[in-house]
Amino acid sequence: DVKVTQSSRYLVKRTGEKVFLECVQDMDHENMFWYRQDPGLGLRLIYFSYDVKMKEKGDIPEGYSVSREKKERFSLILESASTNQTSMYLCASSDATAFLYEQYFGPGTRLTVT
Amino acid sequence: AQKITQTQPGMFVQEKEAVTLDCTYDTSDQSYGLFWYKQPSSGEMIFLIYQGSYDEQNATEGRYSLNFQKARKSANLVISASQLGDSAMYFCAMRVGYSGGSNYKLTFGKGTLLTVNP
Repeated sequence: DVKVTQSSRYLVKRTGEKVFLECVQDMDHENMFWYRQDPGLGLRLIYFSYDVKMKEKGDIPEGYSVSREKKERFSLILESASTNQTSMYLCASSDATAFLYEQYFGPGTRLTVT
Repeated sequence: AQKITQTQPGMFVQEKEAVTLDCTYDTSDQSYGLFWYKQPSSGEMIFLIYQGSYDEQNATEGRYSLNFQKARKSANLVISASQLGDSAMYFCAMRVGYSGGSNYKLTFGKGTLLTVNP
């Protein structure tokens, strides 16, 4: 079974703090993704990576950065957290050699910025 | 740009009945794939079913089937014989193309919250 893990289920940070959200997958997938999920807005792609050290902006990259130094790990960084970044963050991975490219998701991190 | 529209914010169904969750999509690409995911209250997204744009038959996976109407650009999810455990948020998503890079991205709809009543 594919396993995608995220470092925290719940996180509370203060405005202006630097926040790191970590995601690890154990299936040697090439592709990794970060989404945020807000009520009524569905999932919106922040960044994705299709190879180590490669990244591409998604639909809402402002205020975020990412790092992928190893194939299994994809980090989302909030350089200076703001209250409008309070959200559920979901990490996903997919196999670039698979036919469907279906994404496998982690359990999510609910981030609150106060 | 790709777009997924789910017009039903919430749906109710009686246990053991069938329910259809609507999804329409918009893309100018000929090659694309459509996905449905389930998100229970625990938060984890679970892949349910896939339909490719060139697939001539509607996809089925157990109690899930996808009613694919290409001309109407719709990909509705049908759940037969609903169970209490089907209560969850359901998302329709689309991937465009098959050649990699940005083609790996999924565009999601806003979701439909399904409640199954006993």
